Amino acid sequence: RKEVEQDPGPFNVPEGATVAFNCTYSNSASQSFFWYRQDCRKEPKLLMSVYSSGNEDGRFTAQLNRASQYISLLIRDSKLSDSATYLCVVNEARGYNKLIFGAGTRLAVHP
Amino acid sequence: GAGVSQSPSNKVTEKGKDVELRCDPISGHTALYWYRQSLGQGLEFLIYFQGNSAPDKSGLPSDRFSAERTGGSVSTLTIQRTQQEDSAVYLCASSSPSGASDEQYFGPGTRLTVT
Repeated sequence: RKEVEQDPGPFNVPEGATVAFNCTYSNSASQSFFWYRQDCRKEPKLLMSVYSSGNEDGRFTAQLNRASQYISLLIRDSKLSDSATYLCVVNEARGYNKLIFGAGTRLAVHP
Repeated sequence: GAGVSQSPSNKVTEKGKDVELRCDPISGHTALYWYRQSLGQGLEFLIYFQGNSAPDKSGLPSDRFSAERTGGSVSTLTIQRTQQEDSAVYLCASSSPSGASDEQYFGPGTRLTVT
């Protein structure tokens, strides 16, 4: 079983749509959680951290369920510029910040 | 300020040759990481440096892979006797030990093609 699992997609949605991505992780001792964004042929960049209480950053909402070992990302009012691969990332904190990356979910927003 | 830089950006090499990839982390970042990303795949952890030492090199796929870091700054990843399955994008990241977040900042990567 992979340590971090994501639906690879692609999710093809029209502009303005709401889309949700899910992710599960296997290590219950994981300390912190993130969503990174990766554009085609570019490096990953931090999109947002994920907190147990849920957190929102503009059109983006992230949620963590520790009991179910499940992380989600909701994007509202999708823009063309949101097209990218979204990576679910778990910090296993094994004495240092060891980040485990999911394979990513691809999002394509069309006009 | 300057971000993480990597060189070369692209490298094409023949099977069996050695290659050396370079990473310049953000100034002051003591933690440095190497990852590999094959086409359509997620990031695969290779090695972690804290300063000049490598407490975790568990991700190196074989003894053909090695890495070093000198002066707590620049790191080089060396692949000896390259094989076609080594073709991938090699990404370097750095992070600050004193920062409140554990964000890793990535370089643009080196795209390695072994023919």
